[in-house]
Amino acid sequence: EPEVTQTPSHQVTQMGQEVILRCVPISNHLYFYWYRQILGQKVEFLVSFYNNEISEKSEIFDDQFSVERPDGSNFTLKIRSTKLEDSAMYFCASRATLGETQYFGPGTRLLVL
Amino acid sequence: SQQGEEDPQALSIQEGENATMNCSYKTSINNLQWYRQNSGRGLVHLILIRSNEREKHSGRLRVTLDTSKKSSSLLITASRAADTASYFCAPLPNTGGFKTIFGAGTRLFVKA
Repeated sequence: EPEVTQTPSHQVTQMGQEVILRCVPISNHLYFYWYRQILGQKVEFLVSFYNNEISEKSEIFDDQFSVERPDGSNFTLKIRSTKLEDSAMYFCASRATLGETQYFGPGTRLLVL
Repeated sequence: SQQGEEDPQALSIQEGENATMNCSYKTSINNLQWYRQNSGRGLVHLILIRSNEREKHSGRLRVTLDTSKKSSSLLITASRAADTASYFCAPLPNTGGFKTIFGAGTRLFVKA
């Protein structure tokens, strides 16, 4: 079974610091996503990415967030200046086409102190 | 966007019993996926059912889809303690809708 991988599994950072969360989607997939889940809450959509550009983003995804697919295999989420409320589990996901299964990675647990 | 609403919110059963979870949605869909999430872990894909399918099986899992009622159900037969998790449905709309909007899920607790 193909899988989405994410690194690191855990990240602790100080408020105001920049973090980059990394994802390697499944190799032939074309659609990429980031979601987050604050402890005890729903999984929330952040951003979708297709054809090297953002296709949709939520209100959460403000100017502090950015995404990049720098080398054709990695898909990164950058938070420029982290806030306490950014503490959450961040999930990357990918799918081959819109009609196909969306696979999730295991997540990166981010803790902002 | 399209959110699936799962029902019930919580379900507690004995090992060996069957568990049924329901999902309702509002607009027409291309397909619908069911996911499982163990506490603090990632979302595991269980089954994808397409809008032209009515029923699908995978091991102890059976998913039905009724597009006229805009609803789906997930049945887990002969449940095990390891099935304890939250279960989510994820409808994919026919138009636009690159994203998945998750509901609160059904929390299933299987007692050994």
